[in-house]
Amino acid sequence: AQSVTQLDSQVPVFEEAPVELRCNYSSSVSVYLFWYVQYPNQGLQLLLKYLSGSTLVKGINGFEAEFNKSQTSFHLRKPSVHISDTAEYFCALTGGYQKVTFGTGTKLQVIP
Amino acid sequence: DTGVSQDPRHKITKRGQNVTFRCDPISEHNRLYWYRQTLGQGPEFLTYFQNEAQLEKSRLLSDRFSAERPKGSFSTLEIQRTEQGDSAMYLCASSLSASGANVLTFGAGSRLTVL
Repeated sequence: AQSVTQLDSQVPVFEEAPVELRCNYSSSVSVYLFWYVQYPNQGLQLLLKYLSGSTLVKGINGFEAEFNKSQTSFHLRKPSVHISDTAEYFCALTGGYQKVTFGTGTKLQVIP
Repeated sequence: DTGVSQDPRHKITKRGQNVTFRCDPISEHNRLYWYRQTLGQGPEFLTYFQNEAQLEKSRLLSDRFSAERPKGSFSTLEIQRTEQGDSAMYLCASSLSASGANVLTFGAGSRLTVL
């Protein structure tokens, strides 16, 4: 079985401040990890993915994430957030199974 | 290619009625997925197809739910005898199995409200 845990349901942060959204996972097999973003009234968009190789992956809109196998984590970071980053962010994984399993999401609220 | 299309975007129905949602995936994608998303939750897997074969179904998919992908292109998700608990956003996604990792491209979703 595989699972994803997003520890924070909501994260408020002031504009231009750094942010970290936390994600931990559980899987009995090697995994591919993803972060998706969902803007209001829109579908999910891929933000970044970890497949193999370098544990630090960079995505769109200045986001990056670090894969930590020993801590089974894949936290998402951005050094300086913008109002337009206000959205819900989902961590997801796929392993030896074909389906992709999602976390419950973290709502990022950027405060002007 | 315009991405993954879902129709209708919104559906309001009365309890007990049947509803059908359609998904048109990216044309070269051979895998198609249905997820359900309720308020405050992440997408929950319902079922997926590789070409026209339905390869996995979640136990969330009761016998009132049926999905088809008859020619390996578009897919339909039908809910019979709807219940208020079926109210949710139904998401469709597609991917290309040859790409290795299962990177999903999502449609905008079909929101169902059961009165």
